[in-house]
Amino acid sequence: EVVLTQSPGTLSLSPGERATLSCRASQSVSTSNVAWYQHKPGQAPRLLIYSTSSRATGIPDRFSGSGSGTDFTLTISRLDPEDFAVYYCQHYDTSPPEFTFGPGTKVDIK
Amino acid sequence: QVQLVESGGGVVQPGGSLRLSCAASGFTFSRFGMHWVRQAPGKGLEWVAFIRYDGSYSYYADSVKGRFTLSRDNSKNTLYLQMNSLRPEDTAFYYCARAYGAELDQWGQGTLVTVTS
Repeated sequence: EVVLTQSPGTLSLSPGERATLSCRASQSVSTSNVAWYQHKPGQAPRLLIYSTSSRATGIPDRFSGSGSGTDFTLTISRLDPEDFAVYYCQHYDTSPPEFTFGPGTKVDIK
Repeated sequence: QVQLVESGGGVVQPGGSLRLSCAASGFTFSRFGMHWVRQAPGKGLEWVAFIRYDGSYSYYADSVKGRFTLSRDNSKNTLYLQMNSLRPEDTAFYYCARAYGAELDQWGQGTLVTVTS
């Protein structure tokens, strides 16, 4: 079973700053099976990035993903006020089929 | 436009049962696998279960295996989650989500389940 850890737990930044969020897997995983989501209180979670680095439909290009092996990163190049939220990484294991979320990183306003 | 609307949440006593529904529209429901994901108060997202597009098999998190059953009616574009033997730790917002490969690309707004005596 793959366990995901995310760091930091909370990131306090100002609008316009760059945010770098980390997701580490307990074992090497396929880049095809790593995704990132944004979740705001009272709203549905939103898919941001799939297959490690592909942006989902309608996601601004200030969001980017990268990584391989056990280490993955979500970068927000310039924080917009609407970007303050909790971000989760997610992995899909094929055998047996299992979907795992990391514990999340909260990006809040400094 | 894709829409997923959950319903059926409420307050139930420990040991009780509840059935959640997820009504889908805006896409060909019968072509997609579907998930349930939950978020307990103050906690992160937890994957609960997945069902294949044709309902032929489903998978569950260990925390709900043997207590929850996922099913779907493709003629009604509806997903169901039958929850039995509910525990206080099952208290959460429950979201249905569309499967797209390894990720969950469309989500509903969620329905709240509260298990309390």
